Amino acid sequence: SAVISQKPSRDICQRGTSLTIQCQVDSQVTMMFWYRQQPGQSLTLIATANQGSEATYESGFVIDKFPISRPNLTFSTLTVSNMSPEDSSIYLCSGTQGSHGYTFGSGTRLTVV
Amino acid sequence: AQSVTQLGSHVSVSEGALVLLRCNYSSSVPPYLFWYVQYPNQGLQLLLKYTSAATLVKGINDFEAEFKKSETSFHLTKPSAHMSDAAEYFCAVRDPYSGAGSYQLTFGKGTKLSVIP
Repeated sequence: SAVISQKPSRDICQRGTSLTIQCQVDSQVTMMFWYRQQPGQSLTLIATANQGSEATYESGFVIDKFPISRPNLTFSTLTVSNMSPEDSSIYLCSGTQGSHGYTFGSGTRLTVV
Repeated sequence: AQSVTQLGSHVSVSEGALVLLRCNYSSSVPPYLFWYVQYPNQGLQLLLKYTSAATLVKGINDFEAEFKKSETSFHLTKPSAHMSDAAEYFCAVRDPYSGAGSYQLTFGKGTKLSVIP
């Protein structure tokens, strides 16, 4: 199955700044997903990223806050913009080739101070 | 919409005892079902998955799960717990008939497993 390299693994950021998280897949995947995992909570889907089209955002998440790029079938980025302490969380990317195999990145632990 | 309920946010077992983590799904058709494990500061690792083949699914590290349509359940079991099994476990579901662009997984709230020596 595919392997996803996600970076940075962790960061501490000042409020009001932005952080871009990158996920690189070692093989082509049809769809990529971005999740947020708040402390002690489950995974909440932020958006689905498909190559060549705008990401599809879930309710409660907007493009201005979480812009996503998907320039090709092996790479995606998520930016957390204008950060506040409430954005402190773990962010995970995931990829699938469209059947029932999913691979996850190791996560980015973000702390906003 | 798909949903998953994991009973018990925290389960403690003794080393060597049976592990049982519960997962119930809500769906009008049998979905694809997954169990993932998350160790501290790591991503998610697939333990096993049900994709409408055999109802008893065997996974890694001696974990297994049985799909029971009548009970809408997919409980995870392991005969003998090891200290290394201490982690967070997530059940997830996906509609097998979802069209292109709808392959996302829906996760349960997770169950933290503690293993007592």
